[in-house]
Amino acid sequence: DIQMTQSPSSLSASVGDRVTITCRASQRFSGYLNWFQQKPGKAPKLLIFAASTLQSGVPSRFSGSGSGTDFTLTISSLQPEDIATYYCQQNYETPFSFGGGTKLEI
Amino acid sequence: QVQLQQSGPGLMKPSQTLSLTCAISGDTVSSKSAAWNWVRQSPSGGLEWLGRTYYRSKWYNNYGVSVKSRLVINPDTSQNQFSLQLSSVTPEDTAVYYCARESTAGRWDYWGQGILVTVSS
Repeated sequence: DIQMTQSPSSLSASVGDRVTITCRASQRFSGYLNWFQQKPGKAPKLLIFAASTLQSGVPSRFSGSGSGTDFTLTISSLQPEDIATYYCQQNYETPFSFGGGTKLEI
Repeated sequence: QVQLQQSGPGLMKPSQTLSLTCAISGDTVSSKSAAWNWVRQSPSGGLEWLGRTYYRSKWYNNYGVSVKSRLVINPDTSQNQFSLQLSSVTPEDTAVYYCARESTAGRWDYWGQGILVTVSS
């Protein structure tokens, strides 16, 4: 089974900062890596799929990169509405798995 | 526009069987380009994939390791929905349960509203 290790678990940043969240997989795979944003009391929202493709309607300040075992979500200029918890997820093979989450605070 | 509407009980007693339903609008459960997933989120916040059902000329199911022996996911083409049945629940099954669509390129693009299920005697 593929384990996803996400870091950091929490992050404090300022408006306008560039923020990077990392996800490391226990084994190599390509594509099939999603990034989600979740706000309290809401379902996760898809930001990035296939490791680097921006989901329709998501602001372009969000970007994803990586392959193999290391994947990154970047917010180029942090906005107040970006306060949330972020999760990576591999859906390369079952059982699918999520990272532990990164709580982003301003 | 795809919508997923979840229904089911919010309170269960230990040893009971949890049944949840996810009604689909804007797509069909038998779509050959989608899969239909269940995920739960524990009170501590972690997300756990439970399983999925999908149709590719026949029906397939996959289940997560921790629940595999207790979980059944079924499609219902007549109602255009899919369901989760988790048997022998314990307090450790207390969580918010979500259904979600997995579409092309592995996009998990639509989610249900979530249902908090509490298991307590």
